[in-house]
Amino acid sequence: NAGVTQTPKFQVLKTGQSMTLQCAQDMNHNSMYWYRQDPGMGLRLIYYSASEGTTDKGEVPNGYNVSRLNKREFSLRLESAAPSQTSVYFCASSELPGAYEQYFGPGTRLTVT
Amino acid sequence: GENVEQHPSTLSVQEGDSAVIKCTYSDSASNYFPWYKQELGKGPQLIIDIRSNVGEKKDQRIAVTLNKTAKHFSLHITETQPEDSAVYFCAASNAGGTSYGKLTFGQGTILTVHP
Repeated sequence: NAGVTQTPKFQVLKTGQSMTLQCAQDMNHNSMYWYRQDPGMGLRLIYYSASEGTTDKGEVPNGYNVSRLNKREFSLRLESAAPSQTSVYFCASSELPGAYEQYFGPGTRLTVT
Repeated sequence: GENVEQHPSTLSVQEGDSAVIKCTYSDSASNYFPWYKQELGKGPQLIIDIRSNVGEKKDQRIAVTLNKTAKHFSLHITETQPEDSAVYFCAASNAGGTSYGKLTFGQGTILTVHP
């Protein structure tokens, strides 16, 4: 069991470039999440998918789009990267939405210059 | 929306001492309060959680207390060990609400345990 996997681990982009962060889970979980982590600000929810076929905005969705490709995979896309999107991005999954443990991936460190 | 404040931002203790981290929340509808531990270079991992129908929960050296009236909850680690050194995050959610249990995290506490 790999749990939650994320690719890439590191990425450097120039302002205006686009990229997609990939996330996959092998625990047959229904719900998946994307967070960003910035110093002194904890983790902030970008988008989530309560179940396959649904997505919804979190606390900081501007500048991002998501796709729940199937039950296993949930991708995050930056269409036109900005320096303010420099952050560490974490994907997580849980069996169901609500009071269930969220399992986090190892993160993607993104730098936008 | 929910707002979670966490204190202190850094905490340094000697091995064997106790450590306490406190969080306050703003939304009285919140009913699920997990604590996550994040080691360097890794994603957060759940260490303990509490629901609003209980006031305290223990798991070996870790305990969490909840005061719904005051809207605060705390993490207590006893007999700290160097491997407890990490960043700890509290979080809150309304698990049964229309927000589908979205977690709001505190800012994090860097705990350092000195041998």
